Amino acid sequence: GQQVMQIPQYQHVQEGEDFTTYCNSSTTLSNIQWYKQRPGGHPVFLIQLVKSGEVKKQKRLTFQFGEAIKNSSLHITATQTTDVGTYFCAVDNTNAGKSTFGDGTTLTVKP
Amino acid sequence: DTAVSQTPKYLVTQMGNDKSIKCEQNLGHDTMYWYKQDSKKFLKIMFSYNNKELIINETVPNRFSPKSPDKAHLNLHINSLELGDSAVYFCASSQGAGGSIVSEQFFGPGTRLTVL
Repeated sequence: GQQVMQIPQYQHVQEGEDFTTYCNSSTTLSNIQWYKQRPGGHPVFLIQLVKSGEVKKQKRLTFQFGEAIKNSSLHITATQTTDVGTYFCAVDNTNAGKSTFGDGTTLTVKP
Repeated sequence: DTAVSQTPKYLVTQMGNDKSIKCEQNLGHDTMYWYKQDSKKFLKIMFSYNNKELIINETVPNRFSPKSPDKAHLNLHINSLELGDSAVYFCASSQGAGGSIVSEQFFGPGTRLTVL
């Protein structure tokens, strides 16, 4: 079945430092989604990537889909305390209406 | 207006009891899901329904029985609760049909279930 690995599991940064989380799949993907879950909250959709090599930006967040469409990254420039939370990737390689979530990367930001 | 709502928000119960969690979405979406998030925050899909029809049933014990009376509602009934069922259960919905790419999912606020 679909396997997706997300690294690192935890990341502690000083406010102002950059942060990157990676999502790697064992098979090629039709699309990948990224979600953010604040502490005590629920996952909230950030973005969806569908094309090989695609790069999308949302303010300080940069999302990239690998050329081989098997991996993706989320990069945050100059982290702020509002960035704390767990970032999940969700992949779908089956077109069967099912997303498999990565295990998440939990980001803490020290002011 | 809340897009995806769940009740109750918290549920504390004894082992062996039966309980239900309700979910409603007012987004007009075709597909609804139940996810389980454990203490390590791992998010695992349990069920997916499209227009009231079950399309995904992961390896979930048959003590868990989802019911979709209409496409705006997906309830989860759990029989004979066990300690290991303690988790946060999220309902979600998305547009699109089974057999296609999953589009953006909207999650409910979650139900924290504690089994004593």
